[in-house]
Amino acid sequence: RKEVEQDPGPFNVPEGATVAFNCTYSNSASQSFFWYRQDCRKEPKLLMSVYSSGNEDGRFTAQLNRASQYISLLIRDSKLSDSATYLCVVNRGSGGSYIPTFGRGTSLIVHP
Amino acid sequence: EAGVTQFPSHSVIEKGQTVTLRCDPISGHDNLYWYRRVMGKEIKFLLHFVKESKQDESGMPNNRFLAERTGGTYSTLKVQPAELEDSGVYFCASSRRLAGSFYEQFFGPGTRLTVL
Repeated sequence: RKEVEQDPGPFNVPEGATVAFNCTYSNSASQSFFWYRQDCRKEPKLLMSVYSSGNEDGRFTAQLNRASQYISLLIRDSKLSDSATYLCVVNRGSGGSYIPTFGRGTSLIVHP
Repeated sequence: EAGVTQFPSHSVIEKGQTVTLRCDPISGHDNLYWYRRVMGKEIKFLLHFVKESKQDESGMPNNRFLAERTGGTYSTLKVQPAELEDSGVYFCASSRRLAGSFYEQFFGPGTRLTVL
């Protein structure tokens, strides 16, 4: 089983739709959690960190369920510019360092 | 503020040759990471520097890979000799000094390595 698993998609949605991505992780010692966005042939960029209490940034809401080892990302009112690959990233501590483990990413295509 | 830069952007070499990738982190960022993405796979951690020290190199595939960060500024990743399976995109990322369990990593644009 992969350490971080994501549905690769693609998710093909119309503008204005609400879409949700899920991510599960296997290491219960994982300590911090993030969603990154990666555009085609570009570098990943941090979208938001994920907290147990849930956090929201505009149209984006992230949620963490430590008991189920599950992370989610909800995008409301999708825009064409939201089309990208969304990477779930889980950090585990390792002797004073933090080792990020990436999921393979979920592809989102927003169409007119 | 200038971002993370990587050089070259593309490299095509033959099996058995040597290639050196360079990463210049954001000024003042103590933490520097190297990652690799092989086609169709997830991004994989290779190693982590804190200033000039290797904090964790558990992701390095084998001893054909050598990373250095002399002076704690830019870093190089040398592959010698290159094999076909080394092809992929090599990303570098940097972040400020670790504070608690959260830090934002800023990624460079990557070096696309093709080994023929």
